[in-house]
Amino acid sequence: NAGVTQTPKFQVLKTGQSMTLQCAQDMNHNSMYWYRQDPGMGLRLIYYSASEGTTDKGEVPNGYNVSRLNKREFSLRLESAAPSQTSVYFCASSEPVTGPLHGYTFGSGTRLTVV
Amino acid sequence: AQSVTQLDSQVPVFEEAPVELRCNYSSSVSVYLFWYVQYPNQGLQLLLKYLSGSTLVKGINGFEAEFNKSQTSFHLRKPSVHISDTAEYFCAVILPGDDYKLSFGAGTTVTVRA
Repeated sequence: NAGVTQTPKFQVLKTGQSMTLQCAQDMNHNSMYWYRQDPGMGLRLIYYSASEGTTDKGEVPNGYNVSRLNKREFSLRLESAAPSQTSVYFCASSEPVTGPLHGYTFGSGTRLTVV
Repeated sequence: AQSVTQLDSQVPVFEEAPVELRCNYSSSVSVYLFWYVQYPNQGLQLLLKYLSGSTLVKGINGFEAEFNKSQTSFHLRKPSVHISDTAEYFCAVILPGDDYKLSFGAGTTVTVRA
């Protein structure tokens, strides 16, 4: 089925460990996004990539890095995980330019716990 | 900065009763407004959107929302809910000149009881 695929679905890390969250879309969308979801705070944008080869910071980029590997894939890296990064992470994609006005397509999320 | 305020964090409702979820936005210019739904342990799905034109917009699953520019509101309604409407609902906005990025409200959890 077409859509946005995130891996892994669950992960437990120790403080200071690193990991990469993977995201891939097969809809030929240009724009991709990483959000984190925390109780009572909705979804907050971490980083986004308007097109292949570009990335920009969102509202809460500290402690994260991203790579737009190609048009399909957009990964999120935690270099040194902290308990404050315990969250559910969502990847999304949209068509370029005014495509976002037609809605984003979201993955099913990665639930990350940092202990 | 929070552009979207959802006024209720939790809304319990009985099956077949109506429900209204309130959303206000802060912007002095025209905005694009959305409602997304998140069912338990799933990603987000688009319910409906307001881009321009008629202020009453209809979405999937019997939901509708009304854009009110003077009150800067975009409240979501359903006349009769089902158990399956139990979910978290997010109001979101795209501000002009903001690279078409979605900004979300804090969410409203709707629990439908029999």
